[in-house]
Amino acid sequence: KAGVTQTPRYLIKTRGQQVTLSCSPISGHRSVSWYQQTPGQGLQFLFEYFSETQRNKGNFPGRFSGRQFSNSRSEMNVSTLELGDSALYLCASSFGWEETQYFGPGTRLLVL
Amino acid sequence: SQQGEEDPQALSIQEGENATMNCSYKTSINNLQWYRQNSGRGLVHLILIRSNEREKHSGRLRVTLDTSKKSSSLLITASRAADTASYFCATEGGNTPLVFGKGTRLSVIA
Repeated sequence: KAGVTQTPRYLIKTRGQQVTLSCSPISGHRSVSWYQQTPGQGLQFLFEYFSETQRNKGNFPGRFSGRQFSNSRSEMNVSTLELGDSALYLCASSFGWEETQYFGPGTRLLVL
Repeated sequence: SQQGEEDPQALSIQEGENATMNCSYKTSINNLQWYRQNSGRGLVHLILIRSNEREKHSGRLRVTLDTSKKSSSLLITASRAADTASYFCATEGGNTPLVFGKGTRLSVIA
């Protein structure tokens, strides 16, 4: 069974631009969660989607948004990029609540 | 904000030795999970222990959970150089997402 895939793997953007990251979950998984990882703040939860509905949202500004499609694939968007948005963005999928989350390799975003 | 706090922050051991990492958390949980991350890559799930379980084993891994002390430990026996990584605990409560600690950096020296 294929694992969680994330595209692109690496991205360089400049301040003020916007970016869209994509995540394809493991087949059959309906829950997709997004996390931001930085050296200073560690792993922080962004949001979680289940069956196209946002079920939970972390403490991030409205510039961070996401969505989930009917095939469970998910995208997250960051608008008006700031230098502090440079991070590793990780996506994880699971069957549902309180089940093991399987992580993708991440997208490393560098904002210049 | 972090829920889990791993201890120690960094650990260096010789190959063949055992490595023990601890995790403390603050609020009640439904389960606690341990993950491994190699050098800024994706996280690999190691083990999930539910709040009604006290101990779980998986290969060379042993995880304990003490809900009265709000703590967990991860023991890696007979460590190998390939075990060198960062290890994170993450807690999951009712209707709340996974909350990660800042991790323990383990170095296993051959």
